[in-house]
Amino acid sequence: EDKVVQSPLSLVVHEGDTVTLNCSYEVTNFRSLLWYKQEKKAPTFLFMLTSSGIEKKSGRLSSILDKKELFSILNITATQTGDSAVYLCAVPSGGSNYKLTFGKGTLLTVNP
Amino acid sequence: SQTIHQWPATLVQPVGSPLSLECTVEGTSNPNLYWYRQAAGRGLQLLFYSVGIGQISSEVPQNLSASRPQDRQFILSSKKLLLSDSGFYLCAWQGDSGNTIYFGEGSWLTVV
Repeated sequence: EDKVVQSPLSLVVHEGDTVTLNCSYEVTNFRSLLWYKQEKKAPTFLFMLTSSGIEKKSGRLSSILDKKELFSILNITATQTGDSAVYLCAVPSGGSNYKLTFGKGTLLTVNP
Repeated sequence: SQTIHQWPATLVQPVGSPLSLECTVEGTSNPNLYWYRQAAGRGLQLLFYSVGIGQISSEVPQNLSASRPQDRQFILSSKKLLLSDSGFYLCAWQGDSGNTIYFGEGSWLTVV
């Protein structure tokens, strides 16, 4: 059965800190890994990673994939209170592009 | 640009009552459509997906059903709600270009 495991489950930091969120996966026929940010409502798309070692960057957020060790990390530098959210990692699973298997997420709280 | 809408945003229903959540996508044709549920604990569980009109795949046995009467319309239904149906329901769509899935605003369902 395909599996996505995120760690830590929750994290509390102060504004300005740098955080690293982890996502490990076990899937057949790996295609890609996706990161989402979920505040109070629906998840919003952050990154899609398909190749090892190539960093994707958007402002203070960046992410990288390691297909050999089967994990990805999401980094947030100079955190702000607006970064407080649940961060979800997902991979297409079941041998198709149709279904995403999600991890349980990391709840990040950034205190002023 | 593509947009996705789902409604109602919040719903409080008694046990045994029916349910209908509706989702529509604009700006794309023949999208893959999904219903996810997010219960306490934050994990997203895929309930149904559809690759075309009238084509519905169910991922988990449950008290719910889905229908796709038109290309860009996806409906989640129940004839008789259970307490365990409470949760946050998310409609999502996926286009032809890749694996990324985009979510609607979500519907909070409380069964009392």
